[in-house]
Amino acid sequence: DVKVTQSSRYLVKRTGEKVFLECVQDMDHENMFWYRQDPGLGLRLIYFSYDVKMKEKGDIPEGYSVSREKKERFSLILESASTNQTSMYLCASAAGARIVGNTIYFGEGSWLTVV
Amino acid sequence: AQTVTQSQPEMSVQEAETVTLSCTYDTSESDYYLFWYKQPPSRQMILVIRQEAYKQQNATENRFSVNFQKAAKSFSLKISDSQLGDAAMYFCAYRLLQYGNKLVFGAGTILRVKS
Repeated sequence: DVKVTQSSRYLVKRTGEKVFLECVQDMDHENMFWYRQDPGLGLRLIYFSYDVKMKEKGDIPEGYSVSREKKERFSLILESASTNQTSMYLCASAAGARIVGNTIYFGEGSWLTVV
Repeated sequence: AQTVTQSQPEMSVQEAETVTLSCTYDTSESDYYLFWYKQPPSRQMILVIRQEAYKQQNATENRFSVNFQKAAKSFSLKISDSQLGDAAMYFCAYRLLQYGNKLVFGAGTILRVKS
């Protein structure tokens, strides 16, 4: 089974802290994604990566950055956490840069509370 | 802007009955995939069904089927013989060919199943 693992399920951080959310997939997928989920807004794409060291901004990249130094790992970074970044964050991965029919696999989510 | 609209924030259905969840989307592209994802309380996203835009035949997966109206940009999900385990948040999403696997989600519909 494909596994997408988010290292932290629940985090509480203080305003201004630097926060790292880690995601690892074990299926050699090229594509990886970070979404944010908020009530009434669905899932919104923050960043995605279609190869190592490649990244593209999604719909709401402000206040976030990402790192993909290895194919299996995609990190989301909040340089200076703010209360409006309190949310659930979902990581996902999929094979094939141009094969849209491929299934996207999701992690279990990371609940981040910024106080 | 690419958008997905789910006009029903919440729906209820009696066990063993049928329910239809609505979804409309807006894209100028002609080639894309459409999806319904289920998110139970565990927050794990589960693919329910998918539809290729170039196929006229509606996709079916056991008790789940879609009504795909490409000209109207409508993609509704029908759940037959509803079960208690169907209770979840349901997200409609589409994926364009460009950039491979970027998914655009709707805001979601909470489905409650009454026994």
